[in-house]
Amino acid sequence: DVKVTQSSRYLVKRTGEKVFLECVQDMDHENMFWYRQDPGLGLRLIYFSYDVKMKEKGDIPEGYSVSREKKERFSLILESASTNQTSMYLCASSSLFKGTLYEQYFGPGTRLTVT
Amino acid sequence: KQEVTQIPAALSVPEGENLVLNCSFTDSAIYNLQWFRQDPGKGLTSLLLIQSSQREQTSGRLNASLDKSSGRSTLYIAASQPGDSATYLCAVGVSWGKFQFGAGTQVVVTP
Repeated sequence: DVKVTQSSRYLVKRTGEKVFLECVQDMDHENMFWYRQDPGLGLRLIYFSYDVKMKEKGDIPEGYSVSREKKERFSLILESASTNQTSMYLCASSSLFKGTLYEQYFGPGTRLTVT
Repeated sequence: KQEVTQIPAALSVPEGENLVLNCSFTDSAIYNLQWFRQDPGKGLTSLLLIQSSQREQTSGRLNASLDKSSGRSTLYIAASQPGDSATYLCAVGVSWGKFQFGAGTQVVVTP
């Protein structure tokens, strides 16, 4: 059974803290994604990675960075958390192979609250 | 930039009725289209994936169609049940393996 796991389901942090969100997939997928989901705004892509050490900015990368040192792990870093980064964070992975894009699998999400 | 729209934003049907959910996109150059279900406070569960070369996909009570030329996909859920209550999202696969999501349709199936 395919699986994407996220390090925490709920997280509460203070303004200015450095925050790490971890995502691990066990499907040997090339592509991994970080999204945030907010009421009325839907899912917005923060960053995506198509290979180890490779990354691309999504629609809203400001205030975030990412790290992908191993194929199965993709980390999202909030350098200095702010209250407007309170959100649900969703990690996903998928495979792009020989021009065919396969389905995207999601983790359970991390509800982050910044106070 | 690809724009993905889902109308209506919310839908309520009595149990047993068929559900019809719509997804529109502006650029027909897509890799695929994927339908998801999301329960409150949870992640997304994949329902169906249609590759760009396909016209439809079926899984149990679910059937999804794709018409690239008109920029539309429709998800049909036959004989709806209260357990089908959730938010349904469509996502279009675009360049380099990225996906563009619609805002979703919130469905309530009343007993």
